[in-house]
Amino acid sequence: KNQVEQSPQSLIILEGKNCTLQCNYTVSPFSNLRWYKQDTGRGPVSLTIMTFSENTKSNGRYTATLDADTKQSSLHITASQLSDSASYICVVSGGGYALNFGKGTSLLVTP
Amino acid sequence: DVKVTQSSRYLVKRTGEKVFLECVQDMDHENMFWYRQDPGLGLRLIYFSYDVKMKEKGDIPEGYSVSREKKERFSLILESASTNQTSMYLCASRYGSTEAFFGQGTRLTVV
Repeated sequence: KNQVEQSPQSLIILEGKNCTLQCNYTVSPFSNLRWYKQDTGRGPVSLTIMTFSENTKSNGRYTATLDADTKQSSLHITASQLSDSASYICVVSGGGYALNFGKGTSLLVTP
Repeated sequence: DVKVTQSSRYLVKRTGEKVFLECVQDMDHENMFWYRQDPGLGLRLIYFSYDVKMKEKGDIPEGYSVSREKKERFSLILESASTNQTSMYLCASRYGSTEAFFGQGTRLTVV
């Protein structure tokens, strides 16, 4: 069964600090992996996309990594800001229409 | 700028009412999806459509139906709303295996 597991479930960090979110998946076949950011009460918005051949990709202060051999991905947030407070969802796309969602990591950045 | 628009941000309905949630996309995507999102459960697929008048059941279709009469519009119907259908509903569209774009969500409360 295709599964996407995220950790930690929730995280509280001080403004300015770095943090890393984890995503492990068992989806097969694998097409791509995306990290989405979801602000409270809003729809998810894509941050990065990783394909099989990519190891690292950055989008501003967000850096995603992918290890296709171990089926693990991480999202690193550098110099966190209050606006980074949100839920971060790992979404793995296999063949066809299916999207496999993790349950998300809820991040709170405090002053 | 790509857009997926859901007709309501917040909705309060009574038990037994018929409820329509509307979603419109302007990207000419063939695939459209309805999810519900509940705390601790993540996003779960209710229905999806891969073309006009075509639909497929997702993981939790019971109590819901859908309609896609035009390519840009995908409607979710709660035939007889119940309190356990209180949730956040998210519409999404995508082309093939490309990025899924989400609407802003509809917070439905059934009383």
